[in-house]
Amino acid sequence: NAGVTQTPKFRVLKTGQSMTLLCAQDMNHEYMYWYRQDPGMGLRLIHYSVGEGTTAKGEVPDGYNVSRLKKQNFLLGLESAAPSQTSVYFCASNSGYGYTFGSGTRLTVV
Amino acid sequence: RKEVEQDPGPFNVPEGATVAFNCTYSNSASQSFFWYRQDCRKEPKLLMSVYSSGNEDGRFTAQLNRASQYISLLIRDSKLSDSATYLCVVRMDSSYKLIFGSGTRLLVRP
Repeated sequence: NAGVTQTPKFRVLKTGQSMTLLCAQDMNHEYMYWYRQDPGMGLRLIHYSVGEGTTAKGEVPDGYNVSRLKKQNFLLGLESAAPSQTSVYFCASNSGYGYTFGSGTRLTVV
Repeated sequence: RKEVEQDPGPFNVPEGATVAFNCTYSNSASQSFFWYRQDCRKEPKLLMSVYSSGNEDGRFTAQLNRASQYISLLIRDSKLSDSATYLCVVRMDSSYKLIFGSGTRLLVRP
């Protein structure tokens, strides 16, 4: 089925470890986004991309890096994980007519 | 001040009740407005867009007041399945970034 796929769905990291979250969409959407959601809070934009090869900072970009080497993939990297990055991460894509969200990645940093 | 503010609730109502949620946004340049629904531990899903003239979708009615920077959602004849968190969302610019409120939790009891 067409949509947005996030991998992994769950992950536990130790402080200082690195990891990459993958977001893949098969709808040929230009726009892709990474959000984080913490308890009692709405989604906050980390980074976004308006097309292949482009990235831009959102509201809370510190501690994260992103890449959009292929149109269908948007990668979110944590170089040195911190407990404050414990969160649920949602990826989304947009054609200009509507958003499609992935099912989320639950990340715990201990 | 948050860009999008909502009462966190929870609103605890009996089946069949009518319930209203309100939301205010701070940036008068906001272009588009939405209500999203989020079930526990799931991704947000679009409930409805909000238009200046007001719009209705079955039991759901959304209103926008640009002068007061205020958005509302009315749910009539509440069902148990309406229990969820309702997110007020605004779009700011041509990159289609969405700004989320922290959500209002609704509990519909038998």
